[in-house]
Amino acid sequence: SQQGEEDPQALSIQEGENATMNCSYKTSINNLQWYRQNSGRGLVHLILIRSNEREKHSGRLRVTLDTSKKSSSLLITASRAADTASYFCATDAGRAAGNKLTFGGGTRVLVKP
Amino acid sequence: DVKVTQSSRYLVKRTGEKVFLECVQDMDHENMFWYRQDPGLGLRLIYFSYDVKMKEKGDIPEGYSVSREKKERFSLILESASTNQTSMYLCASKGRPGEQYFGPGTRLTVT
Repeated sequence: SQQGEEDPQALSIQEGENATMNCSYKTSINNLQWYRQNSGRGLVHLILIRSNEREKHSGRLRVTLDTSKKSSSLLITASRAADTASYFCATDAGRAAGNKLTFGGGTRVLVKP
Repeated sequence: DVKVTQSSRYLVKRTGEKVFLECVQDMDHENMFWYRQDPGLGLRLIYFSYDVKMKEKGDIPEGYSVSREKKERFSLILESASTNQTSMYLCASKGRPGEQYFGPGTRLTVT
């Protein structure tokens, strides 16, 4: 079963614009992570935010976490054509859930030059 | 950098064949995972392993088994491949709590 659900499923923007995608989840978490997947390749870890954190930055990425609403958002600022990829959120419910990650269905982002 | 490698990028097998997918990581990670990825369904966990010779079922273990004889290697076995096992298979490993490192994936087609 999917813990995280991303919204929107697909996003098309112009280079230079910001891209925002959201993730909702159902149960308590230890941390939430975002991954990127280029077409037909493996996933690459982007950023991890712990349950006691509200916001985190990494380069052009900004992640927020609202545990009361069980939701997270990923913002990519000043997008580039190379940001074209699928983005997945994944929740880690901690030891009680076997330290497994549960992935959402992903958001496909197309950045047009 | 952590490196996770998978034995094949593309694989075509016939229904009923026994299929082995191999995954090797070079960072002495204890935790390793096998997922399958299908359009519209995201990544689903098949099996994972905390240590050598240890294995745990994930969300969709039916039709699969695994083997972890050495720490760096985690194998996924399809005992008798079926067409509904046509998918992208992704292996991952995890060291410190948190992020997983993924291999490039194996696209398996069962005909």
